[in-house]
Amino acid sequence: LAKTTQPISMDSYEGQEVNITCSHNNIATNDYITWYQQFPSQGPRFIIQGYKTKVTNEVASLFIPADRKSSTLSLPRVSLSDTAVYYCLVGERAQNTDKLIFGTGTRLQVFP
Amino acid sequence: GAGVSQTPSNKVTEKGKYVELRCDPISGHTALYWYRQSLGQGPEFLIYFQGTGAADDSGLPNDRFFAVRPEGSVSTLKIQRTERGDSAVYLCASGTRSEQFFGPGTRLTVL
Repeated sequence: LAKTTQPISMDSYEGQEVNITCSHNNIATNDYITWYQQFPSQGPRFIIQGYKTKVTNEVASLFIPADRKSSTLSLPRVSLSDTAVYYCLVGERAQNTDKLIFGTGTRLQVFP
Repeated sequence: GAGVSQTPSNKVTEKGKYVELRCDPISGHTALYWYRQSLGQGPEFLIYFQGTGAADDSGLPNDRFFAVRPEGSVSTLKIQRTERGDSAVYLCASGTRSEQFFGPGTRLTVL
């Protein structure tokens, strides 16, 4: 299976917009793309999901191009409390099933 | 309401021993997922239940790993003849495939 890859880390300052991209070349046709936030010693927390184009909720936006081989999580005006690891989760085509694969994770550090 | 709970929060065992990890999903959720997360890595899918049956167990690494969900609610992940390489945080989630609610995990350490 092709890896679902993300940048290892990103730095930002409070109030800035942060965009984190996930590459998923082998995404299954019918699966959604989901993004999660994880703090140390906690389970991942759901942020947003989408299938194509653009989705926006109260905390983030998700941009998905037509070929769905990548997606970009956009966090507007980050704060210190957004310092965490961010993961994309997709279903990838496998032999008999679409296997759930987490991305490699992006560690976001927000500075004051 | 109550979220997903997992017990124990920490488990230390010796190589070769048997362990059971428990997951209590959110009430009413029919889908339940198990993942394993090693230090510095993303969660790795193990098994997915729809109701009482394992709908996809393709992520279980070998036959030492087994999971059950006999009444369609609580699930138990069982690991036989533990190895040091099994040390990780074991995460459970319930919900839909595209919106999963995770528990805090069980940190398993095999000495």
